[in-house]
Amino acid sequence: GESVGLHLPTLSVQEGDNSIINCAYSNSASDYFIWYKQESGKGPQFIIDIRSNMDKRQGQRVTVLLNKTVKHLSLQIAATQPGDSAVYFCAENMETGTASKLTFGTGTRLQVTL
Amino acid sequence: DGGITQSPKYLFRKEGQNVTLSCEQNLNHDAMYWYRQDPGQGLRLIYYSQIVNDFQKGDIAEGYSVSREKKESFPLTVTSAQKNPTAFYLCASTRWAMNTEAFFGQGTRLTVV
Repeated sequence: GESVGLHLPTLSVQEGDNSIINCAYSNSASDYFIWYKQESGKGPQFIIDIRSNMDKRQGQRVTVLLNKTVKHLSLQIAATQPGDSAVYFCAENMETGTASKLTFGTGTRLQVTL
Repeated sequence: DGGITQSPKYLFRKEGQNVTLSCEQNLNHDAMYWYRQDPGQGLRLIYYSQIVNDFQKGDIAEGYSVSREKKESFPLTVTSAQKNPTAFYLCASTRWAMNTEAFFGQGTRLTVV
């Protein structure tokens, strides 16, 4: 039978512009969040993370914002480059009592146009 | 160099056969995870393990089995009970309860022929 799942939304951005990728997470008890970048046929690569006691964290050209009130996470990429074209996933870490469960959002495909 | 290794990169299976995907890490990580990814879709959690000889079902565990006999290894068996096994399988590891990022292998693409 068919796999159940959602097809990836796509964000198209012109080279040099800023990109904002959004993610809604599911568990208000999650205490750690990560953004990953995945290129075709490869495993996801870490971009940036944030703990639940923070609202904002900045890296090189990337910023993650966390809004716990509405359970929303965003990734901002400054001066987007062609090499930024990939699928971006957010992940949340949930403590289940006996284990840490790392679950992913559905992902967003970022297309950088020249 | 430390890392997480999945093998093989491509795997073909006949319908009705079980197949085992390998995942090995030398990062001394406690926790390991298996995810399934279908074309154009996100990652769905199959199984995860925090310590040796213990593991938990993820969101789509039916038709899969795992073992965790060693800290470094977390093999995934795709059984004949899995009705649609063709997918990209990703293994990850992380330090348990340390809230650090998970490291991923490069994936195994399984095709049923």
